[in-house]
Amino acid sequence: GAGVSQSPSNKVTEKGKDVELRCDPISGHTALYWYRQSLGQGLEFLIYFQGNSAPDKSGLPSDRFSAERTGGSVSTLTIQRTQQEDSAVYLCASSLRAGGGEYNEQFFGPGTRLTVL
Amino acid sequence: AQSVSQHNHHVILSEAASLELGCNYSYGGTVNLFWYVQYPGQHLQLLLKYFSGDPLVKGIKGFEAEFIKSKFSFNLRKPSVQWSDTAEYFCAVKRAGTALIFGKGTTLSVSS
Repeated sequence: GAGVSQSPSNKVTEKGKDVELRCDPISGHTALYWYRQSLGQGLEFLIYFQGNSAPDKSGLPSDRFSAERTGGSVSTLTIQRTQQEDSAVYLCASSLRAGGGEYNEQFFGPGTRLTVL
Repeated sequence: AQSVSQHNHHVILSEAASLELGCNYSYGGTVNLFWYVQYPGQHLQLLLKYFSGDPLVKGIKGFEAEFIKSKFSFNLRKPSVQWSDTAEYFCAVKRAGTALIFGKGTTLSVSS
């Protein structure tokens, strides 16, 4: 597609439920990134993929968070047993590749606003 | 800890005033530097980027930024702001093989 797409755009869930957030990167982009944007915390890195593997998962806040990417394209971020502090906007970005230089310019999707009640 | 610092949390200006938003980072070695903007209700957009070469880079909408390696800084400037520049501005740093590390953002409010 023309840009990075994310679904759903909004998700309201109850504490303790699991949620799945989806990201569709720009076609041909091999690198995919997940970030979280919350009030007072700014933008926090969560995880990134180069192809289907995740070289850096260091930003995942707990083992309730996981992500996968299949076919080098779509990625799913899963949050198990959601907590109220998980409420945030989850952003996905993609780039041609993850290395240095021009090819790592990241293009962002519109985000998924997650509200945990 | 390695970090990206944006000095101003909220800046309020009148139209036609000049703008400078500070950004400092603490990484050594080669870095790529970015400024992103998020207009109200919209998603993040790239304003400008620095990879190498001329340390003064020009971006969209009349913005520019200067990379000063000795000061680990990448400050954003605009000579004359407009009401439509009201937005949140994020500085970000990237090293090869890592994701973007963002500053906490600066909210710019421009009154007409």
